[in-house]
Amino acid sequence: QKEVEQNSGPLSVPEGAIASLNCTYSDRVSQSFFWYRQYSGKSPELIMSIYSNGDKEDGRFTAQLNKASQYVSLLIRDSQPSDSATYLCAELPTLNSMIKAAGNKLTFGGGTRVLVKP
Amino acid sequence: GAVVSQHPSWVICKSGTSVKIECRSLDFQATTMFWYRQFPKQSLMLMATSNEGSKATYEQGVEKDKFLINHASLTLSTLTVTSAHPEDSSFYICSARVTSGRQYNEQFFGPGTRLTVL
Repeated sequence: QKEVEQNSGPLSVPEGAIASLNCTYSDRVSQSFFWYRQYSGKSPELIMSIYSNGDKEDGRFTAQLNKASQYVSLLIRDSQPSDSATYLCAELPTLNSMIKAAGNKLTFGGGTRVLVKP
Repeated sequence: GAVVSQHPSWVICKSGTSVKIECRSLDFQATTMFWYRQFPKQSLMLMATSNEGSKATYEQGVEKDKFLINHASLTLSTLTVTSAHPEDSSFYICSARVTSGRQYNEQFFGPGTRLTVL
């Protein structure tokens, strides 16, 4: 059974600081990773996708992937109160053999709730 | 990102009636769409994977005769909740995955449909 683990939080961050979110996964051959943001009462919104080891930056967000250690993280720089939400980590197998075994579907972590305090 | 729409955004119905929810990919073709359900303060739960032109694949514990899925075109999937009961009241969210181009393998969510069964 594949698992994606996240600390449920809440992660409390002062406005302007860096929020650091971590996610670990159990399937060593997982290929694709995604971070979603979900505001209360709303549907998830894709923030970042990352497929290769290293960092990927998009605006105030940086995703980091370390396949050897099986973790993926998300940094939010200059955190704003509007960043207060639940952040979901997800993984997707992308090799055909893995898709056949696991199904062609995302596996989500439980989410980390982030609170940015003014 | 790619855009997924859902209609209606909310619906209230009487117990025993059926409700149809539409999910459309507006700017891309989606051979596969996904239907999720989310209860308050709980995680997303995948109900079924909808494949264009073929039968949907339901997750364990989801009644296929109660939650009818039709994926008749590359841009439209529908979920019909048949003989709805109060326990079916939930937030239903569809999702579609991009299968070509720059956003390959990224999965986007619709805004969700809040169903209340009286």
